[in-house]
Amino acid sequence: DTGVSQDPRHKITKRGQNVTFRCDPISEHNRLYWYRQTLGQGPEFLTYFQNEAQLEKSRLLSDRFSAERPKGSFSTLEIQRTEQGDSAMYLCASNPIVGRYVPLHFGNGTRLTVT
Amino acid sequence: DQQVKQNSPSLSVQEGRISILNCDYTNSMFDYFLWYKKYPAEGPTFLISISSIKDKNEDGRFTVFLNKSAKHLSLHIVPSQPGDSAVYFCAASGSGANNLFFGTGTRLTVIP
Repeated sequence: DTGVSQDPRHKITKRGQNVTFRCDPISEHNRLYWYRQTLGQGPEFLTYFQNEAQLEKSRLLSDRFSAERPKGSFSTLEIQRTEQGDSAMYLCASNPIVGRYVPLHFGNGTRLTVT
Repeated sequence: DQQVKQNSPSLSVQEGRISILNCDYTNSMFDYFLWYKKYPAEGPTFLISISSIKDKNEDGRFTVFLNKSAKHLSLHIVPSQPGDSAVYFCAASGSGANNLFFGTGTRLTVIP
């Protein structure tokens, strides 16, 4: 169990550019989540996958955001035409389908800075 | 609309004493509650959880108490250690939901 892995750890981009982040969940975990955390706030839910199916999306996930999990393993989160308000820590989490009360295991996040 | 609230942004306690972190929620549909600990430059780490069918759950130095009528939960750390210094997040989810709602966190400092 190597934990949830996220890449890159840091990303600095100019406004208007596209960025893509990758998340590798714990290998036996079917569920994968993306959260966003801004300064002084707790993590906020963005979207959730069960295997390859994207089952839920927050209204925080604007049209510029898209997430995929093509083979039910790793996931990518793409932000198009980045804005300064997109600057945040993007966290990925996973858990297995073993019942209702199962905690999420988080990665160390990707910190995005939009200049 | 903050459904999970942590009204104390920070807390300082002496090493060896008890730390009590508080959390309030507004959504009566929440039935699973968790505490996460976060160090700088790391993701949140799961600490302890409780379902709504219980009012207390204990794991070593950590105990979580749930008061459903008051929509309040607390985390007790006894005895507190300097390594416990971190930001603590309370989180909750509702029946059938797969996402967690987080509070804004409490920064705990344990003074040696």
